[in-house]
Amino acid sequence: RKEVEQDPGPFNVPEGATVAFNCTYSNSASQSFFWYRQDCRKEPKLLMSVYSSGNEDGRFTAQLNRASQYISLLIRDSKLSDSATYLCVVRTAGGYQKVTFGTGTKLQVIP
Amino acid sequence: DAGVIQSPRHEVTEMGQEVTLRCKPISGHDYLFWYRQTMMRGLELLIYFNNNVPIDDSGMPEDRFSAKMPNASFSTLKIQPSEPRDSAVYFCASSYGWNQPQHFGDGTRLSIL
Repeated sequence: RKEVEQDPGPFNVPEGATVAFNCTYSNSASQSFFWYRQDCRKEPKLLMSVYSSGNEDGRFTAQLNRASQYISLLIRDSKLSDSATYLCVVRTAGGYQKVTFGTGTKLQVIP
Repeated sequence: DAGVIQSPRHEVTEMGQEVTLRCKPISGHDYLFWYRQTMMRGLELLIYFNNNVPIDDSGMPEDRFSAKMPNASFSTLKIQPSEPRDSAVYFCASSYGWNQPQHFGDGTRLSIL
């Protein structure tokens, strides 16, 4: 089993739709979590950190489920500009620090 | 605010040549990461440093790859000798603290002919 897994997609959704991505992780020692977006031929850019209680930033909501070991990203009212690849990042801490990126989920918002 | 600065942006060279990629992290950041990204393998962590000290280099593919961080504001990733399968985009990222988000440079697009 991969340490961090994402559905590669692509997710093709119409403008205005709500779309959700999940990212599962296998290491129960994982402590910090992030969502990044990456546009074609560009660097990954931080979208939002994921906090234990869940957090929202405008149209974006991130959730953490420690019991089931996954994080989620919800995008409401999708815009054409949301088309990108969304990467989850998981970091462990303690004796052996490790950071792992998921392979990404591709989103295409269609007019 | 200056972000992470990488150079060169593009590099095309022939196999067997030495390649040196450079990175200047964000001032004050104590972690520096080198990644490689390809279509087949996605984003792979090669090595990371904390306070200029290499902590985990388990992602470095083989002895042809080496990385150094002589001071807090500069790091290099060297490939010698280079091979066509090293062709990829190489990203450098830095963060302030382990649990804080990483900030990426623009990347170096490396093509080995």
